[in-house]
Amino acid sequence: GAVVSQHPSRVICKSGTSVKIECRSLDFQATTMFWYRQFPKQSLMLMATSNEGSKATYEQGVEKDKFLINHASLTLSTLTVTSAHPEDSSFYICSARDQVDEKLFFGSGTQLSVL
Amino acid sequence: QKEVEQNSGPLSVPEGAIASLNCTYSDRVSQSFFWYRQYSGKSPELIMSIYSNGDKEDGRFTAQLNKASQYVSLLIRDSQPSDSATYLCAVKKFRGGSQGNLIFGKGTKLSVKP
Repeated sequence: GAVVSQHPSRVICKSGTSVKIECRSLDFQATTMFWYRQFPKQSLMLMATSNEGSKATYEQGVEKDKFLINHASLTLSTLTVTSAHPEDSSFYICSARDQVDEKLFFGSGTQLSVL
Repeated sequence: QKEVEQNSGPLSVPEGAIASLNCTYSDRVSQSFFWYRQYSGKSPELIMSIYSNGDKEDGRFTAQLNKASQYVSLLIRDSQPSDSATYLCAVKKFRGGSQGNLIFGKGTKLSVKP
């Protein structure tokens, strides 16, 4: 099956620092990737849709200047959490949609802890 | 009304029994439906996709879709302890600003007791 690699799997940082998370589709091209956030015992909440070669589309309530998304190629999207604060601590998951069919494949997730 | 609704559970079944997971959705013109399994602390993995009314079987899993009732379910036969996880129902959004994206339910936690 299709593989999506997400890195790092876990990061601990100090308040005020920035953290970059990478999402790569390893064996297929993805013009569209998605970034989700999941708090404990909650469902996936879509943050933004990342489009290759264009600006990301953010969901209502998500600050685009805080969560910077770059989709520079058909296989790579990055999410940068700028000036992270403890309330940004969460499980961040990316997914990529295979251009051949509608199936969505997820990365392994990144657990962010901001001290 | 939430776009995709699931009973949060937990649903507890004995090993070897059939587990039945249910999901309802609000957008009547939705066309694509997916079931994902998520183990604690891990990302979701796709189990089944279904697009037409009726049943779709894959091994121990059967997805059932009833568009008239806006209802999709997942049956797991011969449940195993390793099936214990949270099962997420997802529906492809047909209308609105996020058209084409998947909308997830909150998930049903399944516990299979040995």
